[in-house]
Amino acid sequence: SQTIHQWPATLVQPVGSPLSLECTVEGTSNPNLYWYRQAAGRGLQLLFYSVGIGQISSEVPQNLSASRPQDRQFILSSKKLLLSDSGFYLCAWRKLGNNEQFFGPGTRLTVL
Amino acid sequence: GQNIDQPTEMTATEGAIVQINCTYQTSGFNGLFWYQQHAGEAPTFLSYNVLDGLEEKGRFSSFLSRSKGYSYLLLKELQMKDSASYLCAVRSGAGSYQLTFGKGTKLSVIP
Repeated sequence: SQTIHQWPATLVQPVGSPLSLECTVEGTSNPNLYWYRQAAGRGLQLLFYSVGIGQISSEVPQNLSASRPQDRQFILSSKKLLLSDSGFYLCAWRKLGNNEQFFGPGTRLTVL
Repeated sequence: GQNIDQPTEMTATEGAIVQINCTYQTSGFNGLFWYQQHAGEAPTFLSYNVLDGLEEKGRFSSFLSRSKGYSYLLLKELQMKDSASYLCAVRSGAGSYQLTFGKGTKLSVIP
């Protein structure tokens, strides 16, 4: 069976500090991968998606970036966090040929 | 642009039936999804509709009318554990698997 992992589960960071969130998927190959953010009072917002190693598409211009160094690894990064980066970050995967996306447990980020 | 509307909150009684509506206006349509999200947790997939009509899955059913840009999620025999947010999401574009989510409907089930 497939599983998706995210870490850390929670994170408190000062404004201006760097960020690295990691997502890995097990039990499948060549998945589509997605990063979403869920801020208070707002819907899930798609940040990045990837159809393969090294292939990243950005949906919203911002101070965040994403990378996919391996088939089942997806990383979300920032060089300098802003207060507005606080939120619940969710990684999701989709098996090719299927429609539904499955979400990881999420990382709750608080920027102070 | 993409616009997805759902009621912000709803309250229903244990054992009852509740219908959560979702209307959408998107540039292209290639499927509508419903997810359940308990507080502090990740969303879990409930249903997918791409053709008009009703899809039934146990106590949950989802309906789609593409001509009206409308969907609803029907929950029967409500249980306390059904208290959660319900997210409507639309996939737009034939080659695109990106989803646009509504803000979600927070359902409270009371005894």
